[in-house]
Amino acid sequence: QVQLQESGPGLVKPSETLSLTCTVSGGSMRTFYWSWIRQPPGKGLEWIGYIYYSGSTNYSPPLRSRVTMSVDTSKNQFSLKLSSVTAADTAVYFCARHGCSSPDCGTTFDYWGQGKLVTVSS
Amino acid sequence: DIQMSQSPSSVSASVGDRVTITCRASQGINSWLAWYQQKPGKAPKLLIYGASSLQSGVPSRFSGSRSGTDFTLTISSLQPEDFATYYCQQANSFPYSFGQGTKVEIK
Repeated sequence: QVQLQESGPGLVKPSETLSLTCTVSGGSMRTFYWSWIRQPPGKGLEWIGYIYYSGSTNYSPPLRSRVTMSVDTSKNQFSLKLSSVTAADTAVYFCARHGCSSPDCGTTFDYWGQGKLVTVSS
Repeated sequence: DIQMSQSPSSVSASVGDRVTITCRASQGINSWLAWYQQKPGKAPKLLIYGASSLQSGVPSRFSGSRSGTDFTLTISSLQPEDFATYYCQQANSFPYSFGQGTKVEIK
């Protein structure tokens, strides 16, 4: 059973960089795409970007200038950095695996981490 | 970018009721649509992919359908564990977008 777990600071000061890591267990990262998705308190879901196990990335246009993702398959981890944060970046951040119970399902998310609440405040 | 419009924003229903939630895409996405269920404090759970395919382990009372750019999630007989918020997501093209969510509440 694949499991994902987010880790990192739960409090970040304005203008600083948010850093989170997702650790994957119970399966390999190889051949999969991996995404970060966030959810402000009481609001809906926003896709941030994805990274392929080989390291190629694609970021959501509104966040592209501030987002960096990286992967370390030897540790079964991938990471998110979001720079110059403001209160609007306060959210629960989820990591997720692309997939479904079929070889062909577009960009669907079948396994998710439990989520990490990150608050931006001084 | 593709916008996803989900309705209603909330619905009150009783156990045993049939519940229908709709999602409309701003442009064609073929059948690349997924539905998720989210309970408070938990991560979303994939229910339906490809507009109408049931994810492994999901009860058969959940079903999905497509008519052009309109998509529907149906719960045939609402169970106590189904009270949650449901989101649609277009899986067709970057950037991937979600609907605003539909909260299914106890009547």
